[in-house]
Amino acid sequence: KAGVTQTPRYLIKTRGQQVTLSCSPISGHRSVSWYQQTPGQGLQFLFEYFSETQRNKGNFPGRFSGRQFSNSRSEMNVSTLELGDSALYLCASSLAVGSSYEQYFGPGTRLTVT
Amino acid sequence: LAKTTQPISMDSYEGQEVNITCSHNNIATNDYITWYQQFPSQGPRFIIQGYKTKVTNEVASLFIPADRKSSTLSLPRVSLSDTAVYYCLVGDMYPGAGSYQLTFGKGTKLSVIP
Repeated sequence: KAGVTQTPRYLIKTRGQQVTLSCSPISGHRSVSWYQQTPGQGLQFLFEYFSETQRNKGNFPGRFSGRQFSNSRSEMNVSTLELGDSALYLCASSLAVGSSYEQYFGPGTRLTVT
Repeated sequence: LAKTTQPISMDSYEGQEVNITCSHNNIATNDYITWYQQFPSQGPRFIIQGYKTKVTNEVASLFIPADRKSSTLSLPRVSLSDTAVYYCLVGDMYPGAGSYQLTFGKGTKLSVIP
């Protein structure tokens, strides 16, 4: 079974631009979560989608948004990029919502904002 | 949200058993305890999960005392390839709408020495 895929793997953007990252979950998984990982803050939860609905959102500004499509694929968007948005963005999929469900992480998208 | 506390780093020699303890004093009744492993530039990978007592799989054991305020991940006979960051997470297995969030702590950086 194919794992979680994320595209692109690497991205370089300029301050003020916007970016869209894509995540394809494991087949059959309906929950997709997004995380931001930086050396200083570690892994931080961004949001989670299940059946095209955002179920929960972490403590990030409104510049960070996401959506999920009917095939469970998900995208996250960051508008008006700031230098501090440089990070590894990880997507994880699971069968359903709840910590008893194992999350499978993708390789991440490395975003660099200059 | 239950917070977790882990040692920042640990060193171990190859072939030894490693025990990493996580403190989660305000764990709730419905919370599961999950451990993930992360190698550099990769997404975290599920290791083991439990609710109470002891759980064992092919790679690790998880010990949870009766009060569930802490848990210990045990890695038997570690090798150099076990050098990674290990995260302890606590989350609600039956989250209500808008209440679910997996919180990663800073993790424990395990270095295995030849």
